Amino acid sequence: KNEVEQSPQNLTAQEGEFITINCSYSVGISALHWLQQHPGGGIVSLFMLSSGKKKHGRLIATINIQEKHSSLHITASHPRDSAVYICAVQYSGGGADGLTFGKGTHLIIQP
Amino acid sequence: GAGVSQSPSNKVTEKGKDVELRCDPISGHTALYWYRQSLGQGLEFLIYFQGNSAPDKSGLPSDRFSAERTGGSVSTLTIQRTQQEDSAVYLCASSLAPGGNTEAFFGQGTRLTVV
Repeated sequence: KNEVEQSPQNLTAQEGEFITINCSYSVGISALHWLQQHPGGGIVSLFMLSSGKKKHGRLIATINIQEKHSSLHITASHPRDSAVYICAVQYSGGGADGLTFGKGTHLIIQP
Repeated sequence: GAGVSQSPSNKVTEKGKDVELRCDPISGHTALYWYRQSLGQGLEFLIYFQGNSAPDKSGLPSDRFSAERTGGSVSTLTIQRTQQEDSAVYLCASSLAPGGNTEAFFGQGTRLTVV
């Protein structure tokens, strides 16, 4: 079974800390998404990557296709960054079965 | 509206009843996905629509689940004879084109509770 593994599962940090969340997957993908889910349940797409690196504000996402690994970084973390961060991949090889999701990383940023 | 809209936002139903969940995708988005997030679990794929093509139903957990997409726009997910294990947040997403190379936009979800 194709799996998406995220680490850590839970992370508590102090405001201002640099945060890294990791995602690894098992087979070739066509794209990887980083999603943010707030306590109310709504999901926002943060990044979609197929190679390299993307930056948006304090968020940076990188992907290494050869190593089948992606990281999401948050610089100068803030309590409003507290959320569940979910990695999701679209496997290559055709098919239209949507995204396969990791179990998420529950991030808490304390003031 | 500007985003993916789902209704209702919350639904409590008695075991054995049928429920319908609605998703209005972003206008012009040809791809529409339904996902489910059970308590303490990750998101799982349910069904995918692309334009007027036959949907990919490979993720539907049982024949009690069905979905339609009328006119290539609004979609309805129907759960018949609901069971307690159907309790979950049901999320809809749409994208401009199929596959993972286009950004997916998610609705706020419908929280279904079967009592």
